[in-house]
Amino acid sequence: AQRVTQPEKLLSVFKGAPVELKCNYSYSGSPELFWYVQYSRQRLQLLLRHISRESIKGFTADLNKGETSFHLKKPFAQEEDSAMYYCAQYNFNKFYFGSGTKLNVKP
Amino acid sequence: NAGVMQNPRHLVRRRGQEARLRCSPMKGHSHVYWYRQLPEEGLKFMVYLQKENIIDESGMPKERFSAEFPKEGPSILRIQQVVRGDSAAYFCASSPLTYAAEAFFGQGTRLTVV
Repeated sequence: AQRVTQPEKLLSVFKGAPVELKCNYSYSGSPELFWYVQYSRQRLQLLLRHISRESIKGFTADLNKGETSFHLKKPFAQEEDSAMYYCAQYNFNKFYFGSGTKLNVKP
Repeated sequence: NAGVMQNPRHLVRRRGQEARLRCSPMKGHSHVYWYRQLPEEGLKFMVYLQKENIIDESGMPKERFSAEFPKEGPSILRIQQVVRGDSAAYFCASSPLTYAAEAFFGQGTRLTVV
């Protein structure tokens, strides 16, 4: 079965500290992987996708096929980064979402 | 473009009533997905629809749940005879024909069954 695992429910860091949100996926062919973010009381929005290899709001994510991971990283967290983050894999016409990690950036 | 619109935002139903959740996709999008988020859990796929067609309903409970995406009008997720366990946030996403993996989400409908 397709599965996306985000082992941390809550991650708290201080402003300016590096942050890494973990994501592991189950391998099935060539996965399309995404990170979505949900700020308080707002809709999920796409943060980045692995195929574009872009950096959004200072976040990057590298696909590691050997470890089947797609961790989200940012070198210096900001308070406005506090939100729920969802890793997602797209296969066979559907997104498989992880359970989400709540990032709390403390001042 | 107003984005994906879901209504109502909040819906309260008594056990045994019917719940109807509506989703208007972004203009030009012909694919609609419904997801359910139970408390403390991630988003779970329910159904994938194109206009007048159910493409994948592998995530839909076998009974009481149905979905449609008519030629005109919004997509509807219908839950008959609701039970307490149906209480959840229901999210709709839409994507364009050209790249089905680029999904845009609505703000969700929070269903509470009392």
